[in-house]
Amino acid sequence: DAGVIQSPRHEVTEMGQEVTLRCKPISGHDYLFWYRQTMMRGLELLIYFNNNVPIDDSGMPEDRFSAKMPNASFSTLKIQPSEPRDSAVYFCASSLRGKLVGNTIYFGEGSWLTVV
Amino acid sequence: AQSVAQPEDQVNVAEGNPLTVKCTYSVSGNPYLFWYVQYPNRGLQFLLKYITGDNLVKGSYGFEAEFNKSQTSFHLKKPSALVSDSALYFCAVRSGDSGYALNFGKGTSLLVTP
Repeated sequence: DAGVIQSPRHEVTEMGQEVTLRCKPISGHDYLFWYRQTMMRGLELLIYFNNNVPIDDSGMPEDRFSAKMPNASFSTLKIQPSEPRDSAVYFCASSLRGKLVGNTIYFGEGSWLTVV
Repeated sequence: AQSVAQPEDQVNVAEGNPLTVKCTYSVSGNPYLFWYVQYPNRGLQFLLKYITGDNLVKGSYGFEAEFNKSQTSFHLKKPSALVSDSALYFCAVRSGDSGYALNFGKGTSLLVTP
């Protein structure tokens, strides 16, 4: 089975540019998560969706960040305008909850963003 | 609120020796505990989880973890370390009372030397 697919894997962009990260969750999963990983702050939850609806976006750093999930197969995380401090690895993850709270969350390979 | 602490930034162990990576947690309800491993430039890979039942959980690559409710711990163990086990290990917790996302520890870097 295909896992969580993220694109691009690597992106280098200039400060002020718009960045769009994309994610395709595992087919059939009803939860989708966006995490950010940095050396200083570790893994931070940015936002997560259930059945395409945002449930908790309290981790989104500021208004420059936005996330959408237009359908069950696709989500985007957008940064506009980007800043050097946004440089990080952004992970998308998905899970099938069903009736089981203990289901595993599966991660993509990450999008490695560098803002110069 | 829920949180996870990994008290060691790095653990060093010789190949063939047993290894332990420590994790303690704090949750308001029943804990659901997970271990993930991250190899360089890769995503997080699921190793094992504790949901309920037997306190000793066995997972991938020969790893196991022991849930200790009284000590609120979920330490990761392996009887005999391999050089290829060198990676970053994350403990994570979810509480049945507070949302569905996982809250991760800071990670512990495991270095296994030949």
